[in-house]
Amino acid sequence: SYVLTQPPSVSVAPGQTARITCGGNNIGSKSVHWYQQKPGQAPVLVVYDDSDRPSGIPERFSGSNSGNTATLTISRVEAGDEADYYCQVWDSSSDHPYVVFGGGTKLTVL
Amino acid sequence: EVQLLESGGGLVQPGGSLRLSCAASGFTFSSYAMSWVRQAPGKGLEWVSAISGSGGSTYYADSVKGRFTISRDNSKNTLYLQMNSLRAEDTAVYYCAKDLSPYTTVTIPVDYWGQGTLVTVSS
Repeated sequence: SYVLTQPPSVSVAPGQTARITCGGNNIGSKSVHWYQQKPGQAPVLVVYDDSDRPSGIPERFSGSNSGNTATLTISRVEAGDEADYYCQVWDSSSDHPYVVFGGGTKLTVL
Repeated sequence: EVQLLESGGGLVQPGGSLRLSCAASGFTFSSYAMSWVRQAPGKGLEWVSAISGSGGSTYYADSVKGRFTISRDNSKNTLYLQMNSLRAEDTAVYYCAKDLSPYTTVTIPVDYWGQGTLVTVSS
């Protein structure tokens, strides 16, 4: 089965840039989606199809995807960005397509 | 305004069954694939199952295949998850979620989530 690997935690000071990676075999050939989840809340889609943003998501959130790594980049990090972030892909390599989530990355704003 | 309201969670003994429901409103329900995603206490997100807008295509995680059944009633704008042979490891908050785009064969990404319903499997 397809595996997505995220670092358990990333720390960044306010105003700096946070980069959260999502590793997978040839992930560059897949569309990657990113979700933000704050404690006690349902997840929120922040980036889809590698680099598109849903309406209402600040331009500070961006994404890229190439080779074996996809990256969510949060520029000018704010205290309110502190949350868990999950990457997600659709794997259609078998007869039975399925969805995979990464293990999640806790972003701490110092 | 899109709303998704899950119900049906609760405490069940190992080996028991539950049926979750998700009442949808604020969009053309039959045009969108829908998913169930769960989150065990203190753990990450785990995709459980998805269904196409028509209901003709269904998808399952290996961890629930053969035990869970996803379905929908487009006349009632409601999504279901029938859960049988429940195990302790099925304990989680279960979210229903709506596909971002209509008429797609790929059921993700999802752009709206319900508030979740807690399923606890314990004796």
